[in-house]
Amino acid sequence: GDSVTQMEGPVTLSEEAFLTINCTYTATGYPSLFWYVQYPGEGLQLLLKATKADDKGSNKGFEATYRKETTSFHLEKGSVQVSDSAVYFCALSPSGGGNQFYFGTGTSLTVIP
Amino acid sequence: KAGVTQTPRYLIKTRGQQVTLSCSPISGHRSVSWYQQTPGQGLQFLFEYFSETQRNKGNFPGRFSGRQFSNSRSEMNVSTLELGDSALYLCASSPTGGANNEQFFGPGTRLTVL
Repeated sequence: GDSVTQMEGPVTLSEEAFLTINCTYTATGYPSLFWYVQYPGEGLQLLLKATKADDKGSNKGFEATYRKETTSFHLEKGSVQVSDSAVYFCALSPSGGGNQFYFGTGTSLTVIP
Repeated sequence: KAGVTQTPRYLIKTRGQQVTLSCSPISGHRSVSWYQQTPGQGLQFLFEYFSETQRNKGNFPGRFSGRQFSNSRSEMNVSTLELGDSALYLCASSPTGGANNEQFFGPGTRLTVL
């Protein structure tokens, strides 16, 4: 079945460091891929998305490219800030309609000044 | 536009009781999905409703049920609560629930079962 495998955390980085959070998926067809972020005590917010192969999603300095050949959607940011501290979830929505999302286990990021 | 709202935000129940959680989607959104979030299992899909019909269902026992009303508001019910049902329950809405649609999440209801 469809699934998402996400890099284990927690991740601790210094401010202005480079961030990569790995995400790979298993799915039939061409799913849509998403990164969501969850700040403490809040629900999930969409960070970025990509709906077809080679699409690059970007938002707030974060980027991820939909790689069909490696079934990956790694999240990157060139220079993290303290305010980026949160839990990041990779997710997929299977092709063919419906609205069942499959989420990775989440990666906790802490950025220290 | 108001976001997804969930009530109550916090609940404490005892084993064997039942509970009903409520979700009001963003105005105009017709698809509502429910997820259970726990530290051990992460985010797990419970079910999705669209136009008052359950369209998708995850792998949860029949104690977990839901419904959607004509105004798209949704309720989730858990009967005969077990300790393992303690979790954050998240509701998400989207306009039509298509594969490319972003889901907008509410803040969640934190359920504690004692």
